[in-house]
Amino acid sequence: GAGVSQTPSNKVTEKGKYVELRCDPISGHTALYWYRQSLGQGPEFLIYFQGTGAADDSGLPNDRFFAVRPEGSVSTLKIQRTERGDSAVYLCASSSGHGGNSPLHFGNGTRLTVT
Amino acid sequence: AQSVTQLDSQVPVFEEAPVELRCNYSSSVSVYLFWYVQYPNQGLQLLLKYLSGSTLVKGINGFEAEFNKSQTSFHLRKPSVHISDTAEYFCAVMGTGFQKLVFGTGTRLLVSP
Repeated sequence: GAGVSQTPSNKVTEKGKYVELRCDPISGHTALYWYRQSLGQGPEFLIYFQGTGAADDSGLPNDRFFAVRPEGSVSTLKIQRTERGDSAVYLCASSSGHGGNSPLHFGNGTRLTVT
Repeated sequence: AQSVTQLDSQVPVFEEAPVELRCNYSSSVSVYLFWYVQYPNQGLQLLLKYLSGSTLVKGINGFEAEFNKSQTSFHLRKPSVHISDTAEYFCAVMGTGFQKLVFGTGTRLLVSP
């Protein structure tokens, strides 16, 4: 079966522009996560959805970042007024349920470069 | 809150030699522990996990890890590495009852002939 799909794989944008990053989770997975991975760092938690609702958005760095999952499947991470410091690989993951028994399955990420 | 420390940013090793990648965690609650591997230009892949029970956990590709509660460690080992094991390895922790997976900064394993 298909894994987690993220599009685009690469995105170059100018400082100040708006970007949207898309994540298609594994079919049937109710939990969806967004992480950000900067060069030389581990993935940093941004937000977690259970179904359509954001159960934990404590990792979003500021109000320029927003994510939605309107139908409980596909999710979009939206970044307004991009800054050079937003450059990173944005990872999406999904899982089938709660807790450690439902490990996260990651996509290949979207590499965002803000010039 | 949970946190993870991976003490070694890079571990060079010769092919067929044993390797240990160190991971220590901090948490005020019981935890689940994971190791993920990231090959170049690929997504994170689960190697193994500790949820409960036996403290020695076996994963894919011949890797294993041992949970040590008293030392708050979850070190990853392989008795004989291959060139193809060259990758970035991430230790991660999840507090039981929580959903957030917290990662360490990663250890780059470099296997040379």
